[in-house]
Amino acid sequence: GQQLNQSPQSMFIQEGEDVSMNCTSSSIFNTWLWYKQDPGEGPVLLIALYKAGELTSNGRLTAQFGITRKDSFLNISASIPSDVGIYFCAGQNYGGSQGNLIFGKGTKLSVKP
Amino acid sequence: NAGVTQTPKFQVLKTGQSMTLQCAQDMNHNSMYWYRQDPGMGLRLIYYSASEGTTDKGEVPNGYNVSRLNKREFSLRLESAAPSQTSVYFCASSLTGGYGYTFGSGTRLTVV
Repeated sequence: GQQLNQSPQSMFIQEGEDVSMNCTSSSIFNTWLWYKQDPGEGPVLLIALYKAGELTSNGRLTAQFGITRKDSFLNISASIPSDVGIYFCAGQNYGGSQGNLIFGKGTKLSVKP
Repeated sequence: NAGVTQTPKFQVLKTGQSMTLQCAQDMNHNSMYWYRQDPGMGLRLIYYSASEGTTDKGEVPNGYNVSRLNKREFSLRLESAAPSQTSVYFCASSLTGGYGYTFGSGTRLTVV
């Protein structure tokens, strides 16, 4: 089945630094999504991307849908302690009876005040 | 503003016991999903229900059964729990298969 490679697996950064993470796939997706999971909670949608080449921002977060439709990246600028958590990319194709999300294995972000 | 509600939040089972994890959504979503999350493995789909009255296997269905009781509720049953089923279980829902999901806050299950 389809698999996503998400990197890095974990990051330890200083407050104020910028963060970059990415996801690649061997097959194309129609939609890329980025989720954040706080400790003890379920993932929450941060950004959804629907078109190849699309660049979308949500506050300090910026994500891009790769031109080849096989990759996406997420940048966080000027990190703060509440950015701590696990970030998941997810790819989705719709049509037919499925349209299920395929998740990456996550990037665990730690921010040092 | 409930969204997706999962019960219980925590559960400890002995090997061989059975239990049902409950999930309900109040967003009038058509599709519902059960995932398990294990360290380093990300989120893996157990079962899903594309619409009321249908259920299908996901990536890791062995040892589980599901019931889509009505449009709102989708339950996950472990008939004979095994230590390998120790995990955090998440329920999610979406309007249709083509939209991002809304997740519940999870059930942390330990099988001893």
